[in-house]
Amino acid sequence: KQEVTQIPAALSVPEGENLVLNCSFTDSAIYNLQWFRQDPGKGLTSLLLIQSSQREQTSGRLNASLDKSSGRSTLYIAASQPGDSATYLCAVFTSGTYKYIFGTGTRLKVLA
Amino acid sequence: DTAVSQTPKYLVTQMGNDKSIKCEQNLGHDTMYWYKQDSKKFLKIMFSYNNKELIINETVPNRFSPKSPDKAHLNLHINSLELGDSAVYFCASSSGGGPDTQYFGPGTRLTVL
Repeated sequence: KQEVTQIPAALSVPEGENLVLNCSFTDSAIYNLQWFRQDPGKGLTSLLLIQSSQREQTSGRLNASLDKSSGRSTLYIAASQPGDSATYLCAVFTSGTYKYIFGTGTRLKVLA
Repeated sequence: DTAVSQTPKYLVTQMGNDKSIKCEQNLGHDTMYWYKQDSKKFLKIMFSYNNKELIINETVPNRFSPKSPDKAHLNLHINSLELGDSAVYFCASSSGGGPDTQYFGPGTRLTVL
């Protein structure tokens, strides 16, 4: 059974800092992994989707890496801004299923 | 234009009542989903429909019944509401039924008193 964990659960950083969010999963037989952002009281927005054959994906200041064999992904945010404050969730699509399993989320606060 | 919309945004009701949440997507997607996010922010899939056909039915009490009148709509009806049903319910859609980018609605916060 796939389990997805995110560390840390919460993170507070000053503006301008580069930061790394971690996601780990127990079953490495995945199709892909998505990183989402959730603002308070809002739905989820997909940030990056990284296929199992890829090592990383980039979008603007965001870079997601995937190490499938070790069951890990990281989301790197460069030059953080207060507008980056949100909860970040990772989700994995495991082979043989038709669903994403979501992590527990990291609540990020970027201080001005 | 809103891609995935849900109504209502907030729903407060008494235990034992029956309520429905509606979802519509204008993305032309074939697959729609219902997720439940509990008080600890843990998000878990409940159902998915592909072209009006039920694909995923997780271990959800049969008081919850999804209905898909067409592939652009997936409604969730809940009978005999219980305190533990209080949560935020999200609708989502994707172009296929597999590992595709998912687009989420804004959520419906259900509070059962």
